[in-house]
Amino acid sequence: TQLLKQSPQFLSIQEGENLTVYCNSSSVFSSLQWYRQEPGEGPVLLVTVVTGGEVKKLKRLTFQFGDARKDSSLHITAAQTGDTGLYLCAGARSNDYKLSFGAGTTVTVRA
Amino acid sequence: EPEVTQTPSHQVTQMGQEVILRCVPISNHLYFYWYRQILGQKVEFLVSFYNNEISEKSEIFDDQFSVERPDGSNFTLKIRSTKLEDSAMYFCASSAQGSLRNGETQYFGPGTRLLVL
Repeated sequence: TQLLKQSPQFLSIQEGENLTVYCNSSSVFSSLQWYRQEPGEGPVLLVTVVTGGEVKKLKRLTFQFGDARKDSSLHITAAQTGDTGLYLCAGARSNDYKLSFGAGTTVTVRA
Repeated sequence: EPEVTQTPSHQVTQMGQEVILRCVPISNHLYFYWYRQILGQKVEFLVSFYNNEISEKSEIFDDQFSVERPDGSNFTLKIRSTKLEDSAMYFCASSAQGSLRNGETQYFGPGTRLLVL
């Protein structure tokens, strides 16, 4: 069962372009995290959102949590080659002692 | 900055052998977790651990798996009789209070790549 569905699975864009990655669910999450994972390494936290409608900005990255706390998006403005990587969303529901991960979006930014 | 460490970074074993994966969580954290990621697949939860007890476990975490905190710093995952399908990257994680639903950060280690032949 795929609790969190990420789309697209793969994204390839030119440097300087914008991109958006989506994370959707039919379940309500109390918190949702976005991670970035490099090959052969563990996930590294980018941001956590906990309030419906919340928007957080991290330099060129903008994260949004849906009003109903069932979906989230990651938007990268003016992508750079250093943004290349696997982006994962993960969430915890109200009774969870764990994170449930999406399958990830592989982003490739071409020079 | 404090970090979760894991050893070994890579392990190759024969099917049917026992393996122990080791983790040192962040020192003042109380909740510990194991996840795995089969090559090309998503990160999957295995087990969470608090106060020397399992808090939650997934259906993957069957009788072949066990966890232990043998001393004040280490947290281990044992696979008693490895199968080919146990080949994966295993990640240890820790959090301060286990309050993931309140947005508490879960810190991940670099992983142990297990290959079962």
